[in-house]
Amino acid sequence: DQQVKQNSPSLSVQEGRISILNCDYTNSMFDYFLWYKKYPAEGPTFLISISSIKDKNEDGRFTVFLNKSAKHLSLHIVPSQPGDSAVYFCAARVRNEKLTFGTGTRLTIIP
Amino acid sequence: NAGVTQTPKFQVLKTGQSMTLQCAQDMNHNSMYWYRQDPGMGLRLIYYSASEGTTDKGEVPNGYNVSRLNKREFSLRLESAAPSQTSVYFCASSGQGISYEQYFGPGTRLTVT
Repeated sequence: DQQVKQNSPSLSVQEGRISILNCDYTNSMFDYFLWYKKYPAEGPTFLISISSIKDKNEDGRFTVFLNKSAKHLSLHIVPSQPGDSAVYFCAARVRNEKLTFGTGTRLTIIP
Repeated sequence: NAGVTQTPKFQVLKTGQSMTLQCAQDMNHNSMYWYRQDPGMGLRLIYYSASEGTTDKGEVPNGYNVSRLNKREFSLRLESAAPSQTSVYFCASSGQGISYEQYFGPGTRLTVT
């Protein structure tokens, strides 16, 4: 039972435009959400997180939006840069329990 | 400060052979994890150790064993490797507990023939 779903395996975006990566979840008990970025031949690195008490969190070019009623999370990257090409994983947790990861979306930024 | 280190980086095994993947962290984190990453499957948790002296099964523990040697080190053992265990293995650690941000190692690419 995949509780965290990333339905788009891949996404291509023109450099300078906005990249929007989506994540859906089924467990209403999730209270904390994270995004990780992974380059080839490297481990995932933490990018940004959001608590369920918020609906938006920004860090530079990266903004995460949370829509609890729709059980939907999205990561916006503006403007997209070639170095943003990577696989992005969303993750979620129930308080005091382990993280659950999605299957990942490969983002390709086209110069 | 090296973060999370894993050895080896690459390994090829024949079916039935055994091996141990090593992981160490220098961030004084309490919790450590082993994941495997397969195409289209994301990161699946094999085993984790919430604190020194404890280990628990994750989502896909069959065919694996772990040892939390001390606070720094957490090893993953394949007793009798199978082709289905061909994967990229990541070790991770977290300092605030199992519910928080994890720091990942660079991975071990394992091929079982």
